[in-house]
Amino acid sequence: ELKVEQNPLFLSMQEGKNYTIYCNYSTTSDRLYWYRQDPGKSLESLFVLLSNGAVKQEGRLMASLDTKARLSTLHITAAVHDLSATYFCAGGDTGTASKLTFGTGTRLQVTL
Amino acid sequence: SQTIHQWPATLVQPVGSPLSLECTVEGTSNPNLYWYRQAAGRGLQLLFYSVGIGQISSEVPQNLSASRPQDRQFILSSKKLLLSDSGFYLCAWSSAYRPRGEQYFGPGTRLTVT
Repeated sequence: ELKVEQNPLFLSMQEGKNYTIYCNYSTTSDRLYWYRQDPGKSLESLFVLLSNGAVKQEGRLMASLDTKARLSTLHITAAVHDLSATYFCAGGDTGTASKLTFGTGTRLQVTL
Repeated sequence: SQTIHQWPATLVQPVGSPLSLECTVEGTSNPNLYWYRQAAGRGLQLLFYSVGIGQISSEVPQNLSASRPQDRQFILSSKKLLLSDSGFYLCAWSSAYRPRGEQYFGPGTRLTVT
């Protein structure tokens, strides 16, 4: 059974600073996803990582995947207030139906 | 383009009452469909998923059930709600033709059981 752990659970950072959110998963997974959730809203897909060494970037966010270490990272560069949200990583279960197992989420608060 | 709808958006129900939440997807055929629940301040718990009409897999035993009467319709039901059923219910779909593609989420239904 795939298990996904994120850390930290809560992150308060100042605007302009850099930080990284870590996502570890327990068993072999061939894909890793990052989602964003604003308070009271649904989940929005950010990145899809499908191979070892994959790196995706969008604006101030960059995600990477190391399947050998079973680790994905979401790096935030020069944070701005608009990035305040909860970020979830999810690992893909093998087998049918493309099931995902989600981490507990990291609540990011960017302060002025 | 594909769109996913959920209704109602919010719901307040007394303990012991029945429940029916609906999810529909437009712009795609034969999607994989999922129901998740998110308790306040928590992560997502997969409740049910479906790969086709009438095919339902349950992930967590509880007093909820799901049905898929049409290709792009997914319904979550309960005969008698419990206080612990309160939460944010999210429906999602993924393409059966892209097994490694992401899931796309609907706007959600916020359920409060009183």
